[in-house]
Amino acid sequence: DAGITQSPRHKVTETGTPVTLRCHQTENHRYMYWYRQDPGHGLRLIHYSYGVKDTDKGEVSDGYSVSRSKTEDFLLTLESATSSQTSVYFCAASLPGTVYEQYFGPGTRLTVT
Amino acid sequence: GENVEQHPSTLSVQEGDSAVIKCTYSDSASNYFPWYKQELGKRPQLIIDIRSNVGEKKDQRIAVTLNKTAKHFSLHITETQPEDSAVYFCAASNPDGGSQGNLIFGKGTKLSVKP
Repeated sequence: DAGITQSPRHKVTETGTPVTLRCHQTENHRYMYWYRQDPGHGLRLIHYSYGVKDTDKGEVSDGYSVSRSKTEDFLLTLESATSSQTSVYFCAASLPGTVYEQYFGPGTRLTVT
Repeated sequence: GENVEQHPSTLSVQEGDSAVIKCTYSDSASNYFPWYKQELGKRPQLIIDIRSNVGEKKDQRIAVTLNKTAKHFSLHITETQPEDSAVYFCAASNPDGGSQGNLIFGKGTKLSVKP
């Protein structure tokens, strides 16, 4: 599992509330990614990081922000959750020294009511 | 930007038969093509990948072929078993470009292997 964990694993929140999801890794991965998975859409990249304090947007970044203040943690924040952000969120990381092989965390199921 | 199309969306085969899933990509600069398997409620798991400097790669019952000219690549599973039942995703990226290896995924193929 490339040492990747996510928390929480499940969360139910109300529209308009802020939500932060955490991705933690223990194997010094440099590159980290946040994806969302929705039926009929596959996996879509939200944001990614190529080092501490170095982040950039993916294809579906609107409504999301990220932060990476240390190598092991990559945080995804929904500033004001909407029902359209109900999804399963996966964190991924590439092995040290490569951007090729990405390995995924166990996922967080987020429901916005 | 890159666009990846994956077919079929569902595939049902008898145990022991072969299964083939096809993907096409749009960006000729893409040079890395992984395949992921996702069982129900689990994380996607990398099962095989291919880089553009080779045309075919095998790992036991799984193989991937790449046609750079036509911009398509395929996953082949031989002697299918019930435990092969899952959703399979293809993806493409250009790790040597400016996108830091971001993967663009196809929408997935749900494979069902009937005993």
